[in-house]
Amino acid sequence: ETGVTQTPRHLVMGMTNKKSLKCEQHLGHNAMYWYKQSAKKPLELMFVYNFKEQTENNSVPSRFSPECPNSSHLFLHLHTLQPEDSALYLCASSSKGSDASPLHFGNGTRLTVT
Amino acid sequence: EDQVTQSPEALRLQEGESSSLNCSYTVSGLRGLFWYRQDPGKGPEFLFTLYSAGEEKEKERLKATLTKKESFLHITAPKPEDSATYLCAVHPSGGYQKVTFGTGTKLQVIP
Repeated sequence: ETGVTQTPRHLVMGMTNKKSLKCEQHLGHNAMYWYKQSAKKPLELMFVYNFKEQTENNSVPSRFSPECPNSSHLFLHLHTLQPEDSALYLCASSSKGSDASPLHFGNGTRLTVT
Repeated sequence: EDQVTQSPEALRLQEGESSSLNCSYTVSGLRGLFWYRQDPGKGPEFLFTLYSAGEEKEKERLKATLTKKESFLHITAPKPEDSATYLCAVHPSGGYQKVTFGTGTKLQVIP
């Protein structure tokens, strides 16, 4: 496989459930990101990892818990979510460097919280 | 605070009817400006990076240009397969990896 792969593509969960989103990149990048995309809103940065170390937490509620075991894999653990958390969750990767390196995105997980 | 404003919000074109999408930005210092294309149910696909005012990049029917305050994505003789949402984003020089996105322009090209 090439690029950035996200699973599952769709997820429906109740407010009391616990689930995890998975992301894998095959691009040899060393930075990985979680973004939230809601209708009519710009992409919202949630977390950034560089070389497995979290370098950015954009004031995200603790019901979202990221995990980055290595530079190719990224998880987003979800628990006790709210209906307003329903959105498209996108994983991205990039090369860390002095130039503006573009983000390469997966196709996202469409999350619905009931 | 960095800001990106895209216009129009939606654009409907006849096949072959050329037009431009606008991205206005406010940033303390620009490391790069990105254009992405997003199809329904998919993640954004990278198109271009522009680094400095006056720079232009082309890919098939698309040409991106950059000034100190805005960027344009020109679409020449569009085809129905160009229908998508086009996103603009800025990478500030001071905010490491804090890329700010606009809300996008949804383009529909009618045969």
